[in-house]
Parts: sequence; C-alpha cells; structure tokens
Amino acid sequence: KNEVEQSPQNLTAQEGEFITINCSYSVGISALHWLQQHPGGGIVSLFMLSSGKKKHGRLIATINIQEKHSSLHITASHPRDSAVYICAGTSGTYKYIFGTGTRLKVLA
Amino acid sequence: DSGVTQTPKHLITATGQRVTLRCSPRSGDLSVYWYQQSLDQGLQFLIQYYNGEERAKGNILERFSAQQFPDLHSELNLSSLELGDSALYFCASSVGGLAGVQETQYFGPGTRLLVL
Repeated sequence: KNEVEQSPQNLTAQEGEFITINCSYSVGISALHWLQQHPGGGIVSLFMLSSGKKKHGRLIATINIQEKHSSLHITASHPRDSAVYICAGTSGTYKYIFGTGTRLKVLA
Repeated sequence: DSGVTQTPKHLITATGQRVTLRCSPRSGDLSVYWYQQSLDQGLQFLIQYYNGEERAKGNILERFSAQQFPDLHSELNLSSLELGDSALYFCASSVGGLAGVQETQYFGPGTRLLVL
C-alpha cells in the first residue's frame, strides 16, 4: 500500500462540472502539496498547505490533518484543466512522498 | 516559465554509458531538488542541495550522484546506465531549504532520458 494514495486514478468530466480529487496519506507529514502536470510534461506547484483551506482562482485545496486527507476541487471545469494532478506529502526530513496521480480529462 | 532551466531536453544513450544533466535554479533560489519520473514508479524524490551542501536524500541509486556548484547550478550524474533508468528527470528550486514545510518549489521542464 502506498503511503500517499489518490483517487480516482482517472476522471473524465464535462466542461463546467465541479471536480474533486482526493488524497489520503498514512504517514506523518509537515505539508501537503498539490502539483499539476500538463500533457507536455511540465509540472506546476498549485498549493502547499499544512492546515485548513487555500483558494486560487477556480481551484480550492483543503486538508484535514486528523483524518490525514486532502482534497483538490476544481469549480467550473474547463478543457484546459485537463492534466495529471499529483499530491505529495513532505516530512520534517524534507523527503517527498508522491501519490500516483489523477489523470483528469475535461471534455468540451 | 518557472525560471528553472534544464539541459538537455532530450538525451538518448546506450546501456553502460554515463550522462550529466544540468539544472539552473531561479535567480535567488538556494535549493535545488532532483526528481525522477518513470512510467512504472511515478515521481520519486532523489536528492536536495541547499547552497552547495547536500540537505536530503531520497531514493537515489549509488550509480547516481549530484552536486551543486558555487554559482548554485546543479548537475545530476547518472552512470552505468540501465534500461530502467529511462525516465523524465526534473529539477526544482526554492528560495531556502524548507520547501517541504514552508516554501513552494518551481519545476524545470525536465530532461527526457532514453537508454537503449
């Protein structure tokens, strides 16, 4: 069992739908990161959070430390949101543990 | 554009060979991180350097080594290459050494390595 699990692995949505991607972790972490990897391969860091909730445009990330769970929400999804979304936990030793990613496809 | 540059973009080589991947961090960033992304194992953290010193080590093989130079650019050396080393290699940078806790990382475009 991976220390960081994501669900679903694949997700197809229609443009405009509200999307939720989940991340659960079984190890102690200092922070939880959400990354976006575009079809071309480039990676962008979306959020880093250790508690509560963060919002950037149509993206919202939440974390529940007690339940060891984080969610990434996309409101009013758009085809340009199509990408692989990866969550990663970091510990005090600065080591990163990555989830296996969620491949999102948003159809026009 | 993240401001992190990596060269080369693509590299094709043969088993048993040695290659060097180069990364220049964003201006002002002191930390460089190296990651490997293969089809079967996803993203894996390899190693972190902060201001020239090794800060953290992940799943880096003994055949691999890295260093960070006084001008803060970093090189990842891969030797005795095997077919399984074929992957995308990313570097990332952050301002200080606390990316895991307090800082955002900025990723380079990656180097795609193919070992034949």
